[in-house]
Amino acid sequence: DGGITQSPKYLFRKEGQNVTLSCEQNLNHDAMYWYRQDPGQGLRLIYYSQIVNDFQKGDIAEGYSVSREKKESFPLTVTSAQKNPTAFYLCASKWADTQYFGPGTRLTVL
Amino acid sequence: DQQVKQNSPSLSVQEGRISILNCDYTNSMFDYFLWYKKYPAEGPTFLISISSIKDKNEDGRFTVFLNKSAKHLSLHIVPSQPGDSAVYFCAADGTGNQFYFGTGTSLTVIP
Repeated sequence: DGGITQSPKYLFRKEGQNVTLSCEQNLNHDAMYWYRQDPGQGLRLIYYSQIVNDFQKGDIAEGYSVSREKKESFPLTVTSAQKNPTAFYLCASKWADTQYFGPGTRLTVL
Repeated sequence: DQQVKQNSPSLSVQEGRISILNCDYTNSMFDYFLWYKKYPAEGPTFLISISSIKDKNEDGRFTVFLNKSAKHLSLHIVPSQPGDSAVYFCAADGTGNQFYFGTGTSLTVIP
């Protein structure tokens, strides 16, 4: 059963804490992406990775960090430096010309 | 600056009628366009795409039209069904590295 998984579905953290969001894919896709969605806004790119051990900043990378040690995994860390971390986070992988999305993680910082 | 724009935040259509969702872009280097459908609290699902070498692509009830000179694309859904109620995002790919997404149009199909 191939696909992209993100866990957990809902995540709560206290202000000032770092938190890591998981993204795993078994589709053998090389490229992976992290987006953030806020109400009334489109998907904004945080980071992307074309291959293992390489990643690039997107439009809103400040306050976030990523790693790509394995092809299947692209975790996103939301650091305490991110001023407005409460949002819906989406991970995607790309095959040919199409990106395929995971189910998302709703992060709420209290 | 938003390179892909969906100027209609919402659209309501009667079941069985045509739904037309519009999208405009500013970057003439974009050469591939996609439409995604998204339900609340879920990830977007790929719907249909079109390359800039075409002006129309059809898949069942869904047709995407591309007007390169106007930098405009549209998604037609015929006939519209209640299950089509969702937010629709258009996206453009120009460099192969990242997509640019519009802000979405919320479609409501009224039974």
